[in-house]
Formats: sequence, C-alpha cells, structure tokens
Amino acid sequence: GAVVSQHPSRVICKSGTSVKIECRSLDFQATTMFWYRQFPKKSLMLMATSNEGSKATYEQGVEKDKFLINHASLTLSTLTVTSAHPEDSSFYICSATGTSGTSTDTQYFGPGTRLTVL
Amino acid sequence: AQSVTQLGSHVSVSEGALVLLRCNYSSSVPPYLFWYVQYPNQGLQLLLKYTSAATLVKGINGFEAEFKKSETSFHLTKPSAHMSDAAEYFCAVSDLTGGFKTIFGAGTRLFVKA
Repeated sequence: GAVVSQHPSRVICKSGTSVKIECRSLDFQATTMFWYRQFPKKSLMLMATSNEGSKATYEQGVEKDKFLINHASLTLSTLTVTSAHPEDSSFYICSATGTSGTSTDTQYFGPGTRLTVL
Repeated sequence: AQSVTQLGSHVSVSEGALVLLRCNYSSSVPPYLFWYVQYPNQGLQLLLKYTSAATLVKGINGFEAEFKKSETSFHLTKPSAHMSDAAEYFCAVSDLTGGFKTIFGAGTRLFVKA
C-alpha cells in the first residue's frame, strides 16, 4: 500500500520550453503533497507544499511563477517548470501524506523525475 | 526550528560488519524521526520511523534505530552489512506544526566492501 508514482521518470527538453511532471497517489488519498529538488550527491530541498484544492505554499527562494504547482484532486499533483533553463536540470521528487488507509504521519515518496534541460 | 545533522558523509564497512549511521536532531517539540534509503536514480524508501512510541524502532531489511532524547540522537544500526545495503541514507525530522514539513539531513553514503 501507499504507492506514489511519478511521470515521466526522465525528460529531456530544450531551453525555453515548459515541462509538466505528474505525481499520483495510487492507492490512497493524498491530502498533502510535497515537491522536492535534489542536486547530484546532495540532500532533498523542499520546494513547496500543496494541499488539495488550495494554493501551494512555496519555500523561501523558490520562484512560484517558474515552478507552478497544481493539486487538483486527492490523487494528483503536478509540477510545471516554465521556460526551463539548464540550471533547472535536477532530480525532482514528490511525496504525499494521506488520510485513512495510510500512516498520516509518514511521507510516501515517488520514484523521482530526472529533468535535463539542453 | 528543526534541523538534522548526519555525522559522516561517507561510511565504509566490510560485508558482515556492524553498520552504524549517526543522526542528531534539533526540535523544539517532540519530534517525529525517520530514516530513508535511496538507491541511485530512485526515490526514497522508508526504513523506519519514530513517532513517540517505543524508543527502539525496528525497520525493514534488518535495520533498527534508537531514539535517545538525552542525546538528541537517532542513530541507525544493522548488525551485519550486506552488499545490497550500499546506498544513500537520509535521516529526517518533522513535527505536526507548520504542516508536517520534513527536514532532511545531508545524507550518508554507505559503502560495503566484499
């Protein structure tokens, strides 16, 4: 139980284009989803927290207009990297906390999405 | 504010030897503490968690961790290392204030020698 998927697992795009990454909770309802960024050989940096049906809360230093987050349903959150540049290349990981049927005090992580901007 | 410190960015052990990965935390409220493992190009897998119940927590793959409030520590151990244990390990702390935000340590890379 408590499986989180991400799509795509890997994406390569040209500079200036936008990329959308999906995060889905497959067998539970995710009231809160988190988006992290991980640089090579580094820890996870929290970018934003999203609750279903409301605006995401961004961490200090994260550009909300560049990293658009939508949490339209209890099983889906999307992260759109707008006008991507090479410095946006990174490993993006989502996680989710659920309601009944899962441990509400634990984050369940997706497998990550490797973004490469050329 | 919460914080996590993992002592040692790299730890190397021989196969069959004891694994000890150190984690110290700082939190103004009773913390929830976690250990996650990450294999290359993958997401994080929960090994174990402490949520104010038993101080000795047993997790998957033979790992366990002990919460010591007096030392503000939550070290991860495994009696006998396997080659498959080679990975990156993250200690994390969170509490129910601030929307259950989780703070991760810098990570410790575990190497297992044959």
